[in-house]
Amino acid sequence: QKEVEQDPGPLSVPEGAIVSLNCTYSNSAFQYFMWYRQYSRKGPELLMYTYSSGNKEDGRFTAQVDKSSKYISLFIRDSQPSDSATYLCAMSAQGGSYIPTFGRGTSLIVHP
Amino acid sequence: GAVVSQHPSRVICKSGTSVKIECRSLDFQATTMFWYRQFPKQSLMLMATSNEGSKATYEQGVEKDKFLINHASLTLSTLTVTSAHPEDSSFYICSASTDSATNEKLFFGSGTQLSVL
Repeated sequence: QKEVEQDPGPLSVPEGAIVSLNCTYSNSAFQYFMWYRQYSRKGPELLMYTYSSGNKEDGRFTAQVDKSSKYISLFIRDSQPSDSATYLCAMSAQGGSYIPTFGRGTSLIVHP
Repeated sequence: GAVVSQHPSRVICKSGTSVKIECRSLDFQATTMFWYRQFPKQSLMLMATSNEGSKATYEQGVEKDKFLINHASLTLSTLTVTSAHPEDSSFYICSASTDSATNEKLFFGSGTQLSVL
């Protein structure tokens, strides 16, 4: 079992839809949870990061962490074609320069 | 957010040549930088962790003599692919951490597409 599982998709939705992207993990030491967006042939861009269970909102994006279930989500409201990209979850633990572990990414396509 | 500059963005070279890729943190100091390799429609594969002033830590299966990493200053790390072969063709991405204790904020370069003929 991989430490971080993420469905690669693709996930295809119409413009304006609410998108839900998810990752599960197995390492209970993970404390920091991040979401990155990567456009084709570009480096990933940090979208959201959170430390604890619960929700964190930033504009159209909401990051949700459920540590008890080892499950994190990223919600995108009012999705736009410009949101079409690959979304990678990542997580790390404190101490010893712990290296972030990435999911394989979910490809999102928002069609007009 | 912090800016990481990576150059060149694209390299085409002949088999047997060496290629150097630079990664610079422009507005912050990075004691730790990471080098990744990414194949089409695949996730990031960590190659090595670059620490300023010390030897890089390579992941299992990554040849350190093949992929030379130098982190000479707090703002610059370089990856040199020595004697490149077609199987080294890939998308290489660097990232820098603003907090080496947690690494919860990684900022990535724009990547380098290496094509070895």
